[in-house]
Amino acid sequence: DVKVTQSSRYLVKRTGEKVFLECVQDMDHENMFWYRQDPGLGLRLIYFSYDVKMKEKGDIPEGYSVSREKKERFSLILESASTNQTSMYLCASSLGQMDTQYFGPGTRLTVL
Amino acid sequence: GESVGLHLPTLSVQEGDNSIINCAYSNSASDYFIWYKQESGKGPQFIIDIRSNMDKRQGQRVTVLLNKTVKHLSLQIAATQPGDSAVYFCAENYKAAGNKLTFGGGTRVLVKP
Repeated sequence: DVKVTQSSRYLVKRTGEKVFLECVQDMDHENMFWYRQDPGLGLRLIYFSYDVKMKEKGDIPEGYSVSREKKERFSLILESASTNQTSMYLCASSLGQMDTQYFGPGTRLTVL
Repeated sequence: GESVGLHLPTLSVQEGDNSIINCAYSNSASDYFIWYKQESGKGPQFIIDIRSNMDKRQGQRVTVLLNKTVKHLSLQIAATQPGDSAVYFCAENYKAAGNKLTFGGGTRVLVKP
């Protein structure tokens, strides 16, 4: 059974804090993705990774970085959180290119 | 619960009726399409997919139709149940762009008892 987990369901941080969002998948998937979801804007791709230690910018990478040291884990980092980064963050993984992406439950981040 | 989208198109359907959710996609070269269901406060859940060499695919209570001529995708849900209430997203994938999905804005389905 497909399983993508995210470290927190809800997170509250202050402006300027460094924030780590963790995502783990147990399907041995090659590809992992980070999206943010905002009302009226849908899902937007922040970063993705095709392999360990590889990363590619998505559509809105500014203000974010990622880390993929192990195949099963993909971390999203907000170096200095800002209020406009308040959002729902969704992690996904897929076996290969052109394969279905499976999503985690999401992390609702609020930056005060 | 959390709203995944304000001002989403909304489809109200009576329990037991069939639902049809439509999606217009943007890239005529897209070759893979997916429908997701997202319940309030949860991540999107895969429902069904279809590749561009097909025009119809059926799953359990769901059917996806693809019309490449007009770049239109639809999801049909048979005998809609209260548990089908959610926001439904279509997504398209263009092979040359790698595994990057482009998501539609979503349609909210409300099932009336």
